[in-house]
Amino acid sequence: NAGVTQTPKFRILKIGQSMTLQCTQDMNHNYMYWYRQDPGMGLKLIYYSVGAGITDKGEVPNGYNVSRSTTEDFPLRLELAAPSQTSVYFCASSPNRDHTEAFFGQGTRLTVV
Amino acid sequence: AQSVTQLGSHVSVSEGALVLLRCNYSSSVPPYLFWYVQYPNQGLQLLLKYTSAATLVKGINGFEAEFKKSETSFHLTKPSAHMSDAAEYFCAVSDGYGNKLVFGAGTILRVKS
Repeated sequence: NAGVTQTPKFRILKIGQSMTLQCTQDMNHNYMYWYRQDPGMGLKLIYYSVGAGITDKGEVPNGYNVSRSTTEDFPLRLELAAPSQTSVYFCASSPNRDHTEAFFGQGTRLTVV
Repeated sequence: AQSVTQLGSHVSVSEGALVLLRCNYSSSVPPYLFWYVQYPNQGLQLLLKYTSAATLVKGINGFEAEFKKSETSFHLTKPSAHMSDAAEYFCAVSDGYGNKLVFGAGTILRVKS
């Protein structure tokens, strides 16, 4: 099925470990986004990309890195996991920058212990 | 800058009763407004969106919302609640030019039988 696919769905990390959250979309969207969702806080933008090779910081980028080598993939990297990064992470893609046609993935629930 | 306020982190209604979820926004430019629904352990699903066409917007599952510029509101309603409507609902705003959605904190809807 067409859409945004995130892997893994769940992960437990120890403090200081690193990992990559994978996101891929098959709709040829130029715009891709990473959000984190914390209880009672809504979603906050971590990083976004307007096309292959172009990325930029969102509201809460500290502790994360991204890359966009292809249109389809937009992985999110955590280098030194901290308990504050315990959250649910959502990847989204859109054909335009106004989000009117955005699709969201199913989310990755990450716990850092 | 944009911001969204959702009044009431939890709303409880009886099955068959009116659903009203409140959203007020702040935007320095004409906004695009969205309501998303999130069922437990799932991603975000778009319910409806306002993009400066008709002020009364109809969405999926019988939901609708009315854009009121004078009140800076975009409240979500459904005439008759169903048990399957129990979920968390997010209001969001995009300015159409920027690179993110700004989300409200969310409202958890509980439907009592």
